[in-house]
Amino acid sequence: SQQGEEDPQALSIQEGENATMNCSYKTSINNLQWYRQNSGRGLVHLILIRSNEREKHSGRLRVTLDTSKKSSSLLITASRAADTASYFCATDPHQAGTALIFGKGTTLSVSS
Amino acid sequence: GAVVSQHPSWVICKSGTSVKIECRSLDFQATTMFWYRQFPKQSLMLMATSNEGSKATYEQGVEKDKFLINHASLTLSTLTVTSAHPEDSSFYICSARQQGLSNQPQHFGDGTRLSIL
Repeated sequence: SQQGEEDPQALSIQEGENATMNCSYKTSINNLQWYRQNSGRGLVHLILIRSNEREKHSGRLRVTLDTSKKSSSLLITASRAADTASYFCATDPHQAGTALIFGKGTTLSVSS
Repeated sequence: GAVVSQHPSWVICKSGTSVKIECRSLDFQATTMFWYRQFPKQSLMLMATSNEGSKATYEQGVEKDKFLINHASLTLSTLTVTSAHPEDSSFYICSARQQGLSNQPQHFGDGTRLSIL
């Protein structure tokens, strides 16, 4: 089953602009992960934020986590056409050996 | 880094055929692997958890006799879609966790696109 919602479902921006995607979830988590998927391809891991962390950076990516609101956001700064893809958040439950639970995803289109 | 290999990447076959998809962890051991299904423009839905040396755990609504899972070693899990029909056409993705590690990303295969004619 899916954990929660992501918004927006689709986002279209121009190159150079920032893109912000939000994710909400329902249960307690060990960590939250963001993945990227190009059309028809597998998933690429972008960043993992632990439940005791509030913010994390990796290159042009910035992820925040608010466990009190059960929400996370992914910010991509200075977007490029190559950032065009679907982005999914996935929560990692507290139980060992359990699967990631994915949000519905945001489809990002960056035009040049 | 840790790599998961999934094979084949693309299958086209006739209705009624059984199709086997392999998922291998190439440089780490995985007692647990996961199988997901993804329909066009949708998210990944967990089908089952594959446990090395024991029976798989299936999610509600997933037919275990339709989707046979075998996890015979610490590096290989297979998903067999038995007597496949057009409605089984989908993108199937496996993932694996490195054994004994917590707070680490899961590693995903590149997926298998299954098209049943």
